[in-house]
Amino acid sequence: ELKVEQNPLFLSMQEGKNYTIYCNYSTTSDRLYWYRQDPGKSLESLFVLLSNGAVKQEGRLMASLDTKARLSTLHITAAVHDLSATYFCAVDDGPNLGAQKLVFGQGTRLTINP
Amino acid sequence: DAGITQSPRHKVTETGTPVTLRCHQTENHRYMYWYRQDPGHGLRLIHYSYGVKDTDKGEVSDGYSVSRSKTEDFLLTLESATSSQTSVYFCAISEPSGGRDTQYFGPGTRLTVL
Repeated sequence: ELKVEQNPLFLSMQEGKNYTIYCNYSTTSDRLYWYRQDPGKSLESLFVLLSNGAVKQEGRLMASLDTKARLSTLHITAAVHDLSATYFCAVDDGPNLGAQKLVFGQGTRLTINP
Repeated sequence: DAGITQSPRHKVTETGTPVTLRCHQTENHRYMYWYRQDPGHGLRLIHYSYGVKDTDKGEVSDGYSVSRSKTEDFLLTLESATSSQTSVYFCAISEPSGGRDTQYFGPGTRLTVL
């Protein structure tokens, strides 16, 4: 059974600082997704990582995937208040008739203080 | 919202009553999914569909049934609602891209079972 764990679950940081959110998963997969959720809203896609060593960057966020370590990281550079949200990683539990059976981490609630 | 609507957006019902949630898409995507979101659990897959009349169970399918009679509509039914089914329900869609594409999520339905 695939399990996905994120840490930390809660993160409070100052603007301008750097930090990393970790996503570990328990079985082999090479498809990992990062989403952002604002309070009371739906999920917004951030990154799709599909191979070992994949790195994607968008603004102050950078995501990477190490399939051998079963680890993905979401790095925040010089945080700004607008990045305050809950971040989820999700791993595809194997293709099943082409569907993506995503298993989500618990989410990391990020609060960035001025 | 990638052309996805959910109805109703909010519902309060009583234990033992049947409830049906509707997901409607205008994108003609092949795959549709139902998730529930609860604090501390991230999102968990309830059921998914890989085509009209083709559905399968996810990790938390007990107490739920689904139907898909048209490409654009995916219905989630709670035959006899229980308090443990109080949650926020999200519908998502995806295309058969070998996992290269992300899932797109609807706005969510907040269900309260008293």
